[in-house]
Amino acid sequence: DAKTTQPPSMDCAEGRAANLPCNHSTISGNEYVYWYRQIHSQGPQYIIHGLKNNETNEMASLIITEDRKSSTLILPHATLRDTAVYYCIVRLGFSSNTGKLIFGQGTTLQVKP
Amino acid sequence: EAGVAQSPRYKIIEKRQSVAFWCNPISGHATLYWYQQILGQGPKLLIQFQNNGVVDDSQLPKDRFSAERLKGVDSTLKIQPAKLEDSAVYLCASGPWGAEGYTFGSGTRLTVV
Repeated sequence: DAKTTQPPSMDCAEGRAANLPCNHSTISGNEYVYWYRQIHSQGPQYIIHGLKNNETNEMASLIITEDRKSSTLILPHATLRDTAVYYCIVRLGFSSNTGKLIFGQGTTLQVKP
Repeated sequence: EAGVAQSPRYKIIEKRQSVAFWCNPISGHATLYWYQQILGQGPKLLIQFQNNGVVDDSQLPKDRFSAERLKGVDSTLKIQPAKLEDSAVYLCASGPWGAEGYTFGSGTRLTVV
C-alpha cells in the first residue's frame, strides 16, 4: 500500500505557484520522498526526489519538513501544461535492490487561465 | 536518448482471449517494471526485473498473467485468459541499477469486452 496521503484535487491560476502537499507520517529514516506526474494519456514522469534536505531542479522544488512527516512540491510558475496528476511516493533509496515505486491516488492539479 | 517503447498502443480483445504486450527499455537499463493502471487509479506494480531475473512478482496474478525478460533486454507481459477487469493501461518503466528516477513508456491500453 502507498504510504502517502494527498488531496484528491487542487486548482491553480496560470503563472502562480502551485503548492502540492503530501503527508507521509510513517516514513522511515532510509526512505526517500519522490514526486512523479502523469499527464493525460502518458506514462508517469519523474520530477524530483529528496531525503531530508530541500531540493530544487529545473522543474520544481521539494520542501521536506524537519520531522520528515510531510512535504510540499512547488511548481514556481504553473502553466497550462502542468495540468496533470501528481504522485507523492515514499520508497527505499536507490541503493536498495527493490526500489519499488508504490503509487497512491495522487493529486489532480488543474491549472486555469 | 530514446525512450521506453511499448507496443501495441491499443488493444481490444474479447474475454477469455489471450494478449501480449511488448516493452523495449532504454538501452543499458538493468531494471524493468510492469505496472497496471485502471482508469482513475494510480499505477499498480505487477512485476520487477533486474536484468533477466525477477526481483518481485508478489502482485502478479500468476494464474493468468506471465512475464519474461529474455537476455535482460526486451520484456513481454501476457494475459491468458483475459477477464473484463483486466481492462487497463499497462505501463513499462526502466532505469539503470541504482537509478534515481525511472522512465515510463506511454503504455498499452487494453480493453476487454
